[in-house]
Amino acid sequence: QQPVQSPQAVILREGEDAVINCSSSKALYSVHWYRQKHGEAPVFLMILLKGGEQKGHDKISASFNEKKQQSSLYLTASQLSYSGTYFCGTESGYGNKLVFGAGTILRVKS
Amino acid sequence: DSGVTQTPKHLITATGQRVTLRCSPRSGDLSVYWYQQSLDQGLQFLIQYYNGEERAKGNILERFSAQQFPDLHSELNLSSLELGDSALYFCASSPPLGGGTDTQYFGPGTRLTVL
Repeated sequence: QQPVQSPQAVILREGEDAVINCSSSKALYSVHWYRQKHGEAPVFLMILLKGGEQKGHDKISASFNEKKQQSSLYLTASQLSYSGTYFCGTESGYGNKLVFGAGTILRVKS
Repeated sequence: DSGVTQTPKHLITATGQRVTLRCSPRSGDLSVYWYQQSLDQGLQFLIQYYNGEERAKGNILERFSAQQFPDLHSELNLSSLELGDSALYFCASSPPLGGGTDTQYFGPGTRLTVL
């Protein structure tokens, strides 16, 4: 079952913050976050495991609420380079296939 | 650069034809995944191989087949092509299974256009 991402699209000005949500109707083992720029390959951002802590690097971080089967990606002080489509991929068990959400288009304007 | 290579970068062919897409995983990775990405479908998982064996199957059509060879490169064969098969096809690889979960590293993709 495909996870649901929200919002579908968001436009920000440089320096603003954004939150992208990913929710599933199934119990989750892990959530993977990727960013894809137009015509390019998805680039890995981070993985959150069941029972794990909130992760982050630089100004991008994420959380995983196992009880609600939800993950959120937080982008703070956005930069132009953050523009792209963000996908969450969910795994219901270790070694199971990764199912991706439909993506959230993020556009950062100067 | 993820270390995953895919050839060709672009492929234009006609309906009814057959094509082969090739993927070489990152050095040391044993898993290869194939995904299809079209404008209205997002990233759709097709199939996964692990060390030469099929490990998981997604929404892969019967007209499509894949294999992973002893040197770990993989090929995705698409036959009796239809207009709707036009899409970006990505290959991804991940390290050997060893607990936890495995990051998938995506190749640059092959853009297939069926005319």
